[in-house]
Amino acid sequence: GAVVSQHPSWVICKSGTSVKIECRSLDFQATTMFWYRQFPKQSLMLMATSNEGSKATYEQGVEKDKFLINHASLTLSTLTVTSAHPEDSSFYICSARPSMGVGFGYTFGSGTRLTVV
Amino acid sequence: GQNIDQPTEMTATEGAIVQINCTYQTSGFNGLFWYQQHAGEAPTFLSYNVLDGLEEKGRFSSFLSRSKGYSYLLLKELQMKDSASYLCAVRDRAGKSTFGDGTTLTVKP
Repeated sequence: GAVVSQHPSWVICKSGTSVKIECRSLDFQATTMFWYRQFPKQSLMLMATSNEGSKATYEQGVEKDKFLINHASLTLSTLTVTSAHPEDSSFYICSARPSMGVGFGYTFGSGTRLTVV
Repeated sequence: GQNIDQPTEMTATEGAIVQINCTYQTSGFNGLFWYQQHAGEAPTFLSYNVLDGLEEKGRFSSFLSRSKGYSYLLLKELQMKDSASYLCAVRDRAGKSTFGDGTTLTVKP
C-alpha cells in the first residue's frame, strides 16, 4: 500500500515554456503532499507543502508564481514550472502519506527529471 | 528551524556492520526518518522513530535519543546493493520534514 505515482519521469523542454508534473496517491487519500527539488549530489530541499482544497505553503526563497501548485483532490497534486529556465533543471520529487495515521513514512513518487534547454 | 548533520561518506566491507550517525537540532520534534536513495532514484522509506530507543527491521535498525538530538541507522550483513545514499530527515509538528545532506555508503567486496 501507500503508492505514489509521479508523471512524467523525465521531460526536456525549451527555455520559456511551462511544464506540469503530476503526483498521485494511488491507494490512499492525502490531504497533504510535499514537493521537493534535488540538485545533483545534494539532498532534498522542500519547495512547498500542497494542501488539498487550499493554497500551497511555499518555503522561503521559492517563487510561488513560478512554481504553481494545485491540489484539487485528495489524490492529485500538480506542480507547474512556468517560464522554465536552464537553472530550473533538477530532479523534482513529490511525497505524501495517508491522511489517517502518523506513523508511516512518507512515500515518494519516482521523481521527475527536468532538463531545460 | 532545523539543522541536521550526518557524515558525507562512509565505506564498509560486504558482510560487515556499519553505523550511520545523525545529529539534529529542531524547534519542534515530531519524528525522525531514515531513507535510502540510490543514484537517480527517489528515496525509499527505511525507518521511523518518534520515541527513544531502538527500532529493528530485518538487517536495518534505527536508534533515537531525543534528549541528545541523536539517531543512528545500523546496517548489518552488508550487501553490495546497500551501496546508496542514506538520508536522515526530521519532521516538525507542522508535518514538514527537513533532510540532512545524506551519507553516501560504499560497500566493497
